[in-house]
Amino acid sequence: EAGVAQSPRYKIIEKRQSVAFWCNPISGHATLYWYQQILGQGPKLLIQFQNNGVVDDSQLPKDRFSAERLKGVDSTLKIQPAKLEDSAVYLCASSLDSGNTEAFFGQGTRLTVV
Amino acid sequence: GIQVEQSPPDLILQEGANSTLRCNFSDSVNNLQWFHQNPWGQLINLFYIPSGTKQNGRLSATTVATERYSLLYISSSQTTDSGVYFCAVKASYGKLTFGQGTILTVHP
Repeated sequence: EAGVAQSPRYKIIEKRQSVAFWCNPISGHATLYWYQQILGQGPKLLIQFQNNGVVDDSQLPKDRFSAERLKGVDSTLKIQPAKLEDSAVYLCASSLDSGNTEAFFGQGTRLTVV
Repeated sequence: GIQVEQSPPDLILQEGANSTLRCNFSDSVNNLQWFHQNPWGQLINLFYIPSGTKQNGRLSATTVATERYSLLYISSSQTTDSGVYFCAVKASYGKLTFGQGTILTVHP
């Protein structure tokens, strides 16, 4: 069974530029999560989708971050414009549903903003 | 929201030693997972254990949901066990919340 796929693996951009990350969840998983992990900290949830609807985006900085999951399968996370403090690893995860089911993570995208 | 505390924050062992990592949480949970983050940053699933005890090779985990804690045991540690161990919990249909992690270093 294929795992959660993310791309790119690494990205370096200058501040004020835009960047987009892509995630393809495990087949059949209705719930998709985007997490931000700053060096030395635990992952923090940015947004959670159930199919193509948003369940929780309370910690998403909506002035610069956006995410979509238009067909309820793969998802993109965008940052525009990027700030230095956005340097982090962006992790995508999926689970069968948003209840008591196990979440599986992709390899992450390491973003460096210079 | 739910609070998750992991201890100890750092742990240094000699190869072959045993260790116990702890995860305390502030509310009832329906989902608890233990992860190992490898040096390349990927989160590897170790256990899905909202309650009870599970074992997988040298690793085992116990969650006592009524007392709001979980323990991860590593026996006969190896250098490849080094990395960061995270506990993550979810209350009902809430979000999966992570602790700050335990950094484990195993020396040969």
